Parts: sequence; C-alpha cells; structure tokens
Amino acid sequence: AQKVTQAQTEISVVEKEDVTLDCVYETRDTTYYLFWYKQPPSGELVFLIRRNSFDEQNEISGRYSWNFQKSTSSFNFTITASQVVDSAVYFCAHFGGGYNKLIFGAGTRLAVHP
Amino acid sequence: NAGVTQTPKFQVLKTGQSMTLQCAQDMNHEYMSWYRQDPGMGLRLIHYSVGAGITDQGEVPNGYNVSRSTTEDFPLRLLSAAPSQTSVYFCASSSFPGRYTEAFFGQGTRLTVV
Repeated sequence: AQKVTQAQTEISVVEKEDVTLDCVYETRDTTYYLFWYKQPPSGELVFLIRRNSFDEQNEISGRYSWNFQKSTSSFNFTITASQVVDSAVYFCAHFGGGYNKLIFGAGTRLAVHP
Repeated sequence: NAGVTQTPKFQVLKTGQSMTLQCAQDMNHEYMSWYRQDPGMGLRLIHYSVGAGITDQGEVPNGYNVSRSTTEDFPLRLLSAAPSQTSVYFCASSSFPGRYTEAFFGQGTRLTVV
C-alpha cells in the first residue's frame, strides 16, 4: 500500500515558537521520493523539499529543517522561530517507482499568531 | 516559460453538464497528473499519465476521463457533472522516468456544480 499520514490537522502557535509537522508514510518500494509542499492562503502549491529514499541526511534551509528516518517511516518538518508568513497548509507527499503515483497526505494547517 | 497553465480558473456548471478542464505545460515533462482538493482531504489523485498515449487511474477516477495525445496537454473531462465534483482541481507535471523530480502545479480551477 502507498499511504501518507499527517496526523496533525491544525496547529496554532505564537510567533517565534518552534513547530514540528509530522509525516508518516507507508510504501513497499525500496526506491521512493518524499516531498513537502506549502499552500499559502493565496492557494498555490509551493515546493519546499524533495528527499530520495537513499539519502537519510537531515537538511536545513534557513529556518526550515527536515528529519528523514527510514526506521520509523517518517519525514518530519520543523520550522524554527515561526513567523506569521509561515501560516499555510503544509502537505507531505510520497512518490514510489512501483506505483508511479504521487500521493499526498491530508495536510496540516499551521496558524502563526503575532 | 509559462510552466503549467490551467484554464479556466473558475467555472460554475449545472448538474449533468459536461466540460473539459485544460492543462498545458511547456517544460517537456513526461509525467502529468490531475488532483482534486477538498477541505480536510488533502490532494487526491484523479488520473495521471507517464507519457503521450499512456494514462492510468489514481485514487478517485470515477466521473472523470483523460487523454494524452501530446506531451504538452492533459485535459480532464467531466462527462456529467455532479455536486460531489465541486472542488478545486490542480494539474501537475514533472520529469519522468528514472529521476522523478518535484511536481510543478498549475494555479488551480475552482469548480462549482449546482
């Protein structure tokens, strides 16, 4: 089965707090890709990161960081010192070569309050 | 480069009417797909194509048809619109096969069926 679970439906934080968005995936593939996308209130989908299954290195990009752990099938996303502009819906997605499908989780709505 | 272009941006249909949502990309991507986005459901895959002449079903294909006669275009047809098809529709493209990259999304089509 190919499945992506984002258990957190909504998260509300105050500006400057750190926040972690969880993503758990199921796959039978040995080769696959994981993604995070951001959907701001304007509605477009913004690509944030791609990670392939052979690269478990964590990545940091400014205030954003990603923790990929194959042992727990998780690909979590942390925003450090959150800002109001981070308010958006965030989607985790999985693409497996065996399925040829890019499947999304249900998304986590993040609200950052001043 | 225009990227992925979807038309129309908004559409209101009456139950039973048919219509085609257009999607075109100018990045010479092999892989194209259609999603629908409903509140709390994330993006759900309707149909996808790995190249001209090849299409396959996604998670929620019923009520929709697709064809892929050229690399650039991937139209989505609603044969007999139903209120349950009220949604925001996104088209996406990415390079494939061998090295799947991130999906580039169109701006979306907001469809209301009354």
